[in-house]
Amino acid sequence: AAGVIQSPRHLIKEKRETATLKCYPIPRHDTVYWYQQGPGQDPQFLISFYEKMQSDKGSIPDRFSAQQFSDYHSELNMSSLELGDSALYFCASSLGLGGGTDTQYFGPGTRLTVL
Amino acid sequence: GQNIDQPTEMTATEGAIVQINCTYQTSGFNGLFWYQQHAGEAPTFLSYNVLDGLEEKGRFSSFLSRSKGYSYLLLKELQMKDSASYLCAVRGDSGAGSYQLTFGKGTKLSVIP
Repeated sequence: AAGVIQSPRHLIKEKRETATLKCYPIPRHDTVYWYQQGPGQDPQFLISFYEKMQSDKGSIPDRFSAQQFSDYHSELNMSSLELGDSALYFCASSLGLGGGTDTQYFGPGTRLTVL
Repeated sequence: GQNIDQPTEMTATEGAIVQINCTYQTSGFNGLFWYQQHAGEAPTFLSYNVLDGLEEKGRFSSFLSRSKGYSYLLLKELQMKDSASYLCAVRGDSGAGSYQLTFGKGTKLSVIP
């Protein structure tokens, strides 16, 4: 079965640079969630989109922005990168808003390293 | 807000049974999930409970008591490949139309021969 695809899998950037992470949800899934997981930490919710509209916002810094496109893929744009942004960034997708028995399925993650 | 507690680490023997507990205090509740995560990999969905009781899925079972804010994940016939972190996650109802997951810190399970 098709899974969530994220690209790139690994990304190395310098401080103050920008980065764009991409997420392709499972086919027919219309909701995308972004999570950040620091070393030894649990995943922290950043932001989500349903039907191309932002549906919820968590602890996402103002330096980050995201959007969902007409084909339901999503991009997380990160500017003025800081050392503390080094983390695993997971995208998850679900069918609908994730209520009921709808489950969020996670992609393999993008490991961002800021030097 | 959400507060989710689970043990940091557990060790169990291959072939045995282990129970990982999770307690939660949440402002909204719309289901509890268990995920398995190997180091550096994505969380993999294991089970989902929204009503009280036991859900069984092969070697894995999960229990929920909403009145007690308590869940456990039961792993039977442990295998070495079960060594991983197990994340308890609560789905809230933000009221904004999205159901974000709030994760516990995870329980690192080590299975020994």
